[in-house]
Amino acid sequence: EAQVTQNPRYLITVTGKKLTVTCSQNMNHEYMSWYRQDPGLGLRQIYYSMNVEVTDKGDVPEGYKVSRKEKRNFPLILESPSPNQTSLYFCASSYQRGTSDLPQYFGPGTRLTVL
Amino acid sequence: DAKTTQPPSMDCAEGRAANLPCNHSTISGNEYVYWYRQIHSQGPQYIIHGLKNNETNEMASLIITEDRKSSTLILPHATLRDTAVYYCIVRLMNSGGYQKVTFGTGTKLQVIP
Repeated sequence: EAQVTQNPRYLITVTGKKLTVTCSQNMNHEYMSWYRQDPGLGLRQIYYSMNVEVTDKGDVPEGYKVSRKEKRNFPLILESPSPNQTSLYFCASSYQRGTSDLPQYFGPGTRLTVL
Repeated sequence: DAKTTQPPSMDCAEGRAANLPCNHSTISGNEYVYWYRQIHSQGPQYIIHGLKNNETNEMASLIITEDRKSSTLILPHATLRDTAVYYCIVRLMNSGGYQKVTFGTGTKLQVIP
C-alpha cells in the first residue's frame, strides 16, 4: 500500500531533550516536507527536500533540523525542544516534475508535547 | 507567493451541494490551484487540482474563473463524512525549481443532518 508513515504518533518529552521524528514513504517520491499545525494558524511548512541531500527552509524552520540521506526517509530533528514546539506535525511527499507537479500525500501526524 | 482567502466556516445540509469559495487574486500563470481537506486531526487528504479549466473527479468538481482569480470547490452531494476543514492552496515554483507550499487556515465545513 502506498503510504507515508511517521513515528512516533504521540510523544511527550521535556525541554532540552533531543528527539527525532521519523518519516518514510514507499512511493519513490522526490519531494518530501514537514509541517506543523497549531490552532488558528493552519499548516505551516518547516522544511522541505527536493531530493536526496537537497533541503531548504520553509516558513518556520527555527529550532528544527532535517536530513535527506535516502530518498524514502526524511527525519525531523529537534536538538533542544522547547514548549513552543508543542504541536501536531505532518510529513508529506510527492513527485516533482517541473510545473506539472502532483499532489502531496500526507502522513497520519505526530502529536508532540514538550513540557 | 499567491495567497488564498477562504471563509472561516460554512454549513451545508446533508445531500445538498457544498460550494466552497477561494480567492487567489494574485495567482500567476504557472500556478495550480489545489484543494485538500482534513478530517479532525488526520493528515490532509488531496481532493483535486486545476490550472485554468474546470476539473471533476470522483470526489468533487473544481470551477476556476476565467481570470483565475477565484475558484469554487463543489461537493455535489455532501454527506456527514464530508465534515472537515477544506484548504485551498496555490502551488508556487520558485526560480530554482523548488516548490514552497503554504496552507492557510481553510474553511471548516459542517454538514448538517
